[in-house]
Amino acid sequence: AQSVTQLDSHVSVSEGTPVLLRCNYSSSYSPSLFWYVQHPNKGLQLLLKYTSAATLVKGINGFEAEFKKSETSFHLTKPSAHMSDAAEYFCVVIRASGGSYIPTFGRGTSLIVHP
Amino acid sequence: NAGVTQTPKFQVLKTGQSMTLQCAQDMNHEYMSWYRQDPGMGLRLIHYSVGAGITDQGEVPNGYNVSRSTTEDFPLRLLSAAPSQTSVYFCASSISPPRQGARDTIYFGEGSWLTVV
Repeated sequence: AQSVTQLDSHVSVSEGTPVLLRCNYSSSYSPSLFWYVQHPNKGLQLLLKYTSAATLVKGINGFEAEFKKSETSFHLTKPSAHMSDAAEYFCVVIRASGGSYIPTFGRGTSLIVHP
Repeated sequence: NAGVTQTPKFQVLKTGQSMTLQCAQDMNHEYMSWYRQDPGMGLRLIHYSVGAGITDQGEVPNGYNVSRSTTEDFPLRLLSAAPSQTSVYFCASSISPPRQGARDTIYFGEGSWLTVV
């Protein structure tokens, strides 16, 4: 079975400082992993996804995530936070359920950016 | 392309009333799904469809019905609304159903805020 755990419900940073949002997954095979962002009162937008071509994945708006199989982690980072990065972030894994596969969302991390 | 379109954006219902949340996509996607989002719970899958005429239950299907008569549309019906169904609902689609090793992007609608009083 696969599941996903976002280790922080809230992360608070100052503008211009690095961002780290943590995600751990459980998987018995090569996982399908994604990060989505949700701005207030909006739908979810894809930030990046792990394709197995490279362990360091670059996404939109300067975000990156590194796939570490040994640590079963897919943490999201950004070198310098901007006020517009304030949003809810979701780590997603595709998991088996019965005879099909379904996307399973972490509980989300709220990123707060202070001026 | 409009992408995934949901209506209505806001709705207040009384307990016991019925309603339908509409969802349409114009990307010719096979896979469509409905999620509900509650504080601290992430998104939970209600129902999904892998193609016209085919639907299945997700993690939290009780109290909801769906149908998929066309590729484009995937309405979600609440037959007898309850306060526990107060939530934000998202419709989503992807080109193919999720599968092992797949990395298809899931596209989301803007959400429907439902309050049941």
